[in-house]
Amino acid sequence: EDQVTQSPEALRLQEGESSSLNCSYTVSGLRGLFWYRQDPGKGPEFLFTLYSAGEEKEKERLKATLTKKESFLHITAPKPEDSATYLCAVRPSRLTFGEGTQLTVNP
Amino acid sequence: GAVVSQHPSRVICKSGTSVKIECRSLDFQATTMFWYRQFPKQSLMLMATSNEGSKATYEQGVEKDKFLINHASLTLSTLTVTSAHPEDSSFYICSAEERSGPYNEQFFGPGTRLTVL
Repeated sequence: EDQVTQSPEALRLQEGESSSLNCSYTVSGLRGLFWYRQDPGKGPEFLFTLYSAGEEKEKERLKATLTKKESFLHITAPKPEDSATYLCAVRPSRLTFGEGTQLTVNP
Repeated sequence: GAVVSQHPSRVICKSGTSVKIECRSLDFQATTMFWYRQFPKQSLMLMATSNEGSKATYEQGVEKDKFLINHASLTLSTLTVTSAHPEDSSFYICSAEERSGPYNEQFFGPGTRLTVL
């Protein structure tokens, strides 16, 4: 059975304090690992797709990396507007989501 | 990225009535659309997968007679919650799949908040 575990459940950072979110996965035949951002009361916003171990992608203050067992979402010098829930999902045939990490960045 | 819209964004209805939610892919054709529901502080739960022109595939535990899905065109899927009850109150989110080379990427709509009184 496909499984996705995200840690930590919640993370509080001060503005400018860099950190990483973890997504550990078990899947039979990975066809993509996806990161989404979700703001309260809104649908998930697509951030990245990673397909193979060693792959990295960047977007502004975010950088996603992938190994054979986990993915990290690195946040460099976060700002309060980065506060959101970050969801990780894996796909053999359909998306399986983790529970998310709720990130709060304090000014 | 690709844009997916949902309508309405919020609906309040009386118990026993039916509610229809529309999901549209605005700038691409989506052969497959997905319907999720999300309870507070929980992640997304897949309800059903909808392919254009064919019957939807429902996840285990989802009542297909209660949650009617129609995928009439490559840009439109609808979810009808029939005879809604308070326990159906939730956040419903659709997504549409865009083919991107050998892999497909899913883009999500903004969600519909359903409250059943």
